[in-house]
Amino acid sequence: GEDVEQSLFLSVREGDSSVINCTYTDSSSTYLYWYKQEPGAGLQLLTYIFSNMDMKQDQRLTVLLNKKDKHLSLRIADTQTGDSAIYFCAESPHKLVFGAGTILRVKS
Amino acid sequence: GAVVSQHPSRVICKSGTSVKIECRSLDFQATTMFWYRQFPKQSLMLMATSNEGSKATYEQGVEKDKFLINHASLTLSTLTVTSAHPEDSSFYICSASPGGGLAGEDTQYFGPGTRLTVL
Repeated sequence: GEDVEQSLFLSVREGDSSVINCTYTDSSSTYLYWYKQEPGAGLQLLTYIFSNMDMKQDQRLTVLLNKKDKHLSLRIADTQTGDSAIYFCAESPHKLVFGAGTILRVKS
Repeated sequence: GAVVSQHPSRVICKSGTSVKIECRSLDFQATTMFWYRQFPKQSLMLMATSNEGSKATYEQGVEKDKFLINHASLTLSTLTVTSAHPEDSSFYICSASPGGGLAGEDTQYFGPGTRLTVL
């Protein structure tokens, strides 16, 4: 079955870049997503990438996809304290399969 | 755009009672809505997928008689937890997808979640 794995915890200093990594197993994935969850809240869609793309940039966010290695990463430039949250990668089609989430802690 | 609301945000009930949670897509029509359950410090577990006007598809291990899902319109789905027990206490999150199969149309937009506590 499908499986998505993420590193569990990342700590960075304010202003540094953060890189959150994710690996997946389903080679038929069409879309891959990054969601952000703040404490006690639902999930906020940050960005998504179609499986035939290698990179997508959206302001401070850069998504890299290595389809051969089934590896997805999210880079947050100039990380701010407001970026502290849990980040989930997920893959589809049809229904989302989530990773366990990466806790990002930003130290000021 | 793509806002999904849930109501209530928090509910406390006694064991044996039923609780209804509403999920609404506010500014788009949702072909498909999903219900998830999240335990503390864990990922989301898909419970069921519902399409407007048809029966929900439940994931393995999810009791359909306990978790009743009604997708009455393209903007509203409800989850009713029947005869709730303390082990049903959890964070329930819905999502909605405009569907259509076009690029990005499968994207799910999530509600803010409902914290259910059963005493």
